[in-house]
Amino acid sequence: AQSVTQLDSHVSVSEGTPVLLRCNYSSSYSPSLFWYVQHPNKGLQLLLKYTSAATLVKGINGFEAEFKKSETSFHLTKPSAHMSDAAEYFCVVNAGKSTFGDGTTLTVKP
Amino acid sequence: GAVVSQHPSWVICKSGTSVKIECRSLDFQATTMFWYRQFPKQSLMLMATSNEGSKATYEQGVEKDKFLINHASLTLSTLTVTSAHPEDSSFYICSARDWGGGEQFFGPGTRLTVL
Repeated sequence: AQSVTQLDSHVSVSEGTPVLLRCNYSSSYSPSLFWYVQHPNKGLQLLLKYTSAATLVKGINGFEAEFKKSETSFHLTKPSAHMSDAAEYFCVVNAGKSTFGDGTTLTVKP
Repeated sequence: GAVVSQHPSWVICKSGTSVKIECRSLDFQATTMFWYRQFPKQSLMLMATSNEGSKATYEQGVEKDKFLINHASLTLSTLTVTSAHPEDSSFYICSARDWGGGEQFFGPGTRLTVL
């Protein structure tokens, strides 16, 4: 069994400030973990993935995430938010098939 | 990177009709394809998993006779919503996975509106 919990349904930041989107997971096996972004009425775009290599994963558009096994976390961060980052973000755990978190809506204020 | 397409991108149909949605892997062979639906402001819910040449495995609560899935080739899977009703209106997203069994590549989604 596996599950994903995105701890914040909404996050609001000002442009230029750091972004933190939190994700905790549970899995009976060593999972792969992903972060996806979805803009309104669009499909999913992969931001980054962890597949048991380096625990600090760098993705596109300046995003990165750190896999912490002891905390069962995979939080997504970005040092400086941009207006174009406003979107829905999904944390996904995969140990055979994908389970999606409920999503976090990121709002970026000018 | 690997590309997955969906057709159509949107469709409007009358209640009682059937609608077919295609999912294609354009530059790789997809041994496994997944179908999800997403309601507004909600997450993706897995409907079924299909392996090429075999019957789809449906998630609990998904009517297999209503949502017909065919994965006849390594690059094409279809989802047919039979006798569609307004409550079937949703955003349907497919994904595909290759022989390596790792990352899934997602299609752009199909918005179905049933009047």
